[in-house]
Amino acid sequence: GQQLNQSPQSMFIQEGEDVSMNCTSSSIFNTWLWYKQDPGEGPVLLIALYKAGELTSNGRLTAQFGITRKDSFLNISASIPSDVGIYFCAGLLGGTSYGKLTFGQGTILTVHP
Amino acid sequence: DGGITQSPKYLFRKEGQNVTLSCEQNLNHDAMYWYRQDPGQGLRLIYYSQIVNDFQKGDIAEGYSVSREKKESFPLTVTSAQKNPTAFYLCASSRDSNYGYTFGSGTRLTVV
Repeated sequence: GQQLNQSPQSMFIQEGEDVSMNCTSSSIFNTWLWYKQDPGEGPVLLIALYKAGELTSNGRLTAQFGITRKDSFLNISASIPSDVGIYFCAGLLGGTSYGKLTFGQGTILTVHP
Repeated sequence: DGGITQSPKYLFRKEGQNVTLSCEQNLNHDAMYWYRQDPGQGLRLIYYSQIVNDFQKGDIAEGYSVSREKKESFPLTVTSAQKNPTAFYLCASSRDSNYGYTFGSGTRLTVV
């Protein structure tokens, strides 16, 4: 099945640093989503983007829906230890594609105190 | 509070045995999904269901079976035909085709 190209695969940063990760696709999506997964748990939705060019913030998180509809990025500002986890991007075609999400491979974030 | 519940959290199975993973949601969502997660491989779709009594194969359906007799429930059976069943299994639901998923907390299956 198709998957998104998510990068970087992993990041090791110091507490207080900013983080940036992105996803690209050869296909157009109508919705971009960003999830965070804590160890041993299911992913939790962080931000949903529904419109090309849309820039949305959720606290220290900021995400953008690329203008071409083929990419998205997620920024985390002033990282803290609880930001540790796996971050997934996901694209949704919607409509007749029955809502099947296409996921990126994930970015593993480690934050050193 | 509405949510999606997977049980059990940890499951051990002997080789050659079938095992069923439970997934229940009280969000009144029409669509439900099963994903498998292996280290470094992201999420792979096993089966999905858009409506009661209907389901479709995902990308890695071989060795798995599902049923959707009730809107709230979408159990996954891992059969003995699944060659490498040890993994973390995630169930999800969504309101319709234009919204993202709500995930359960997962079941870790280990074949011993």
